This record gives sequence, C-alpha cells and structure tokens, in this order.
Amino acid sequence: DQQVKQNSPSLSVQEGRISILNCDYTNSMFDYFLWYKKYPAEGPTFLISISSIKDKNEDGRFTVFLNKSAKHLSLHIVPSQPGDSAVYFCAARRPGGSYIPTFGRGTSLIVHP
Amino acid sequence: DAGVTQSPTHLIKTRGQQVTLRCSPKSGHDTVSWYQQALGQGPQFIFQYYEEEERQRGNFPDRFSGHQFPNYSSELNVNALLLGDSALYLCASSSTGVSGYTFGSGTRLTVV
Repeated sequence: DQQVKQNSPSLSVQEGRISILNCDYTNSMFDYFLWYKKYPAEGPTFLISISSIKDKNEDGRFTVFLNKSAKHLSLHIVPSQPGDSAVYFCAARRPGGSYIPTFGRGTSLIVHP
Repeated sequence: DAGVTQSPTHLIKTRGQQVTLRCSPKSGHDTVSWYQQALGQGPQFIFQYYEEEERQRGNFPDRFSGHQFPNYSSELNVNALLLGDSALYLCASSSTGVSGYTFGSGTRLTVV
C-alpha cells in the first residue's frame, strides 16, 4: 500500500526552464512533508519541507506547494540547472515523536545543458 | 564534522548466509533508523533505535534485527539471506525531539 506516490519515474528538462515534480499521498494523518535529493552513490539529503498548515514554502530556487484537499504536493525548481540532476524523493510524516517519514519511489530529474 | 558513516560500502553474500551492516551516527545524534531501498523503489523503513532499544519497526520479517550500542552506533543484521534482500541499505541518524534525518551513503548488498 503506497501511501506516498510519485507517479512519474523520470523527468527531463532543459537548463533554465522550470522543473515540476509531483507527489500524491493517501493518508490524511500526514502533517509534514519533505523533499529529499539523492545523487548516485550518496545518501538522500534534505532539500525542503512544508507543514500541513501552510500551502507554500520557498527556499531559493526551490518552492514546495501543498494542496491538502487534493492530497497533492509539488516541488518547483526555477531555474533548473544541470547540477539539479538527481533522484528526488517525496516523503510524508505523521504527528508523533519518532519523526519517521514514509517515502515515495522517487522521480529521476535530468536537466540538459 | 563527520556525517553518518556506514560500512561496508559494498557486500556480496550467498543465499542463506547472514550479514551485519554497521552505522555510526552524526555527532550529536542519538537515534538511528535503518531503511532498505530496492532498485527503483523509495527507501522502506526497517526499524529505529533509541537508547539501545528498538523504538519502532516497519513491515519487515524477524530475519531483520538490529542493535544500538552505548556510543549510539548501530548494526543491522539479516539472517537467512534471500535474493530479494539485495538492495541499498541506508542508515539515518537524528536527535530526539528534533525533526530531520541525516543519511549515510548506504551499503549496497547483493545476494547471489
């Protein structure tokens, strides 16, 4: 039972354009959402997060949008750079002290020069 | 400041064997979580250790066991290896009461 779904396994974008990565979730108990980036041979690194009480969070070139009614979030990267090429994981967490996120399958982003 | 260190980086084992993977958390972190990432999948939560005890466990069989030492380092043990256990095993450390994981680079386990 996939509670966090990333339905696009890959995305190809031209340098300078916008990259939009999508994520859907099914568990309405999730209250905190995170995006991680993973390069080959490295562990995932935290990128940006958003609480369920917000609908947008921005950090430099990265913006995450949350639509609670649709149980959907998206990560926007503007402008995209070749160094952004990586696998992006969407993750979601329930309230509680263990802070254990549930991850999606990931979307492989390739940014072409 | 060293981040999360995992060893070994790569490992090849035969079906039925047992394996131990090791993790040293980031300095200042006291909680260790283990994840399995199969090819084309996202990381799947195995279990989390805090104060040398298993605090929470994911949907993994008892063949998967772990341990946390007084210095917060941790081991993941897998018995009776199956071909399906081939995956990248990720260790993540965190501090109690503080959100946010720091992941290691993982151990690539291949079962033949």
